[in-house]
Amino acid sequence: AQSVTQPDIHITVSEGASLELRCNYSYGATPYLFWYVQSPGQGLQLLLKYFSGDTLVQGIKGFEAEFKRSQSSFNLRKPSVHWSDAAEYFCAVYNNNDMRFGAGTRLTVKP
Amino acid sequence: EPEVTQTPSHQVTQMGQEVILRCVPISNHLYFYWYRQILGQKVEFLVSFYNNEISEKSEIFDDQFSVERPDGSNFTLKIRSTKLEDSAMYFCASSLPDSANTGELFFGEGSRLTVL
Repeated sequence: AQSVTQPDIHITVSEGASLELRCNYSYGATPYLFWYVQSPGQGLQLLLKYFSGDTLVQGIKGFEAEFKRSQSSFNLRKPSVHWSDAAEYFCAVYNNNDMRFGAGTRLTVKP
Repeated sequence: EPEVTQTPSHQVTQMGQEVILRCVPISNHLYFYWYRQILGQKVEFLVSFYNNEISEKSEIFDDQFSVERPDGSNFTLKIRSTKLEDSAMYFCASSLPDSANTGELFFGEGSRLTVL
């Protein structure tokens, strides 16, 4: 069965610093991969998605993610974090009408 | 832009009571889902629904849970006799039919259920 691992439960970065959130997936073929963001008390907002083609995908709010098949990874990056980026980030893998989420990484942004 | 809407946004209920959470999926979508997120935990799959029947369900989705599409627009989740551990945020989602299904689920804002 497919699964998603987000190794970092909580990450703290300073405002303006770069960010990388890790995501590893387990699935036999190339799945569809997603990153969602959830602000406190809010729903899930899609940041970006990967289906095929260019392995570097751009999303909203200045985020990007790179699909690396050899590492089964789909890490989320942002060159310069803003205080408003503080939220919970979920990586998800989708196949055949089944979407599974990672445990999430909580991002704290220091002034 | 079309969106998935959920009601109520927050419901407080007594243990043992029945609860119905309502969702209006995007109108041309044919797959529907319920997910649950207990406070501070991951988003968990409950059930998927297609062609008026459950297509897949998780171990969480026991006999206390049921789903229905009563009128062609609403998609409901019923919890027959709520337990304390049912307190969570419940997310509804919908997606396109198979031929165009690229895996993108569109989520509602969620319904927070508090069981006392």
